[in-house]
Amino acid sequence: KAGVTQTPRYLIKTRGQQVTLSCSPISGHRSVSWYQQTPGQGLQFLFEYFSETQRNKGNFPGRFSGRQFSNSRSEMNVSTLELGDSALYLCASSLGQGAQLYGYTFGSGTRLTVV
Amino acid sequence: QQQVKQSPQSLIVQKGGISIINCAYENTAFDYFPWYQQFPGKGPALLIAIRPDVSEKKEGRFTISFNKSAKQFSLHIMDSQPGDSATYFCAAPYSSASKIIFGSGTRLSIRP
Repeated sequence: KAGVTQTPRYLIKTRGQQVTLSCSPISGHRSVSWYQQTPGQGLQFLFEYFSETQRNKGNFPGRFSGRQFSNSRSEMNVSTLELGDSALYLCASSLGQGAQLYGYTFGSGTRLTVV
Repeated sequence: QQQVKQSPQSLIVQKGGISIINCAYENTAFDYFPWYQQFPGKGPALLIAIRPDVSEKKEGRFTISFNKSAKQFSLHIMDSQPGDSATYFCAAPYSSASKIIFGSGTRLSIRP
């Protein structure tokens, strides 16, 4: 059974640019959540999508957005990149809405570096 | 903003020893407390989770102890092995939404 696939694995962008990250959840999983991981802030929740609808959102500025497609694949977009956006972005899939019921399976992440 | 407080930040244990990591949480409407293990270059992986209808759950060398009245739970790794060297995160459900809040992480090193 394939795991959670995130592409690309590494990305270098310049300040002011925008970036799109992709996540393919485990087959049959309908919920996708995104987290930002940094050494200083740890794992911070960005948003959760279920059935193509954003169900929850963390405390990030509007430059961070996402969407989910009918096949449960998800993308997140960051516009007007800042140096502080450099982080590991993790996608987590879950069987249904609510990781408290089903648990998360994480991908290996996309390492974004903003220069 | 609800928080999950995790300690210690780092831990060094001799091979064969017991590793103990602690977490404290604030109010939550959901009863599900997982621990995740993360190796360098990988995403966190679910290690063990507890629902507080029990005070302890054991899976192999890993045990979660849960104290609902104190709002604390801990991970015990018995007979710690070098392969256990990783970063461990506790987590708790956010009180009013179906999302998980993670602790700040504990970097565990097991000395051979």
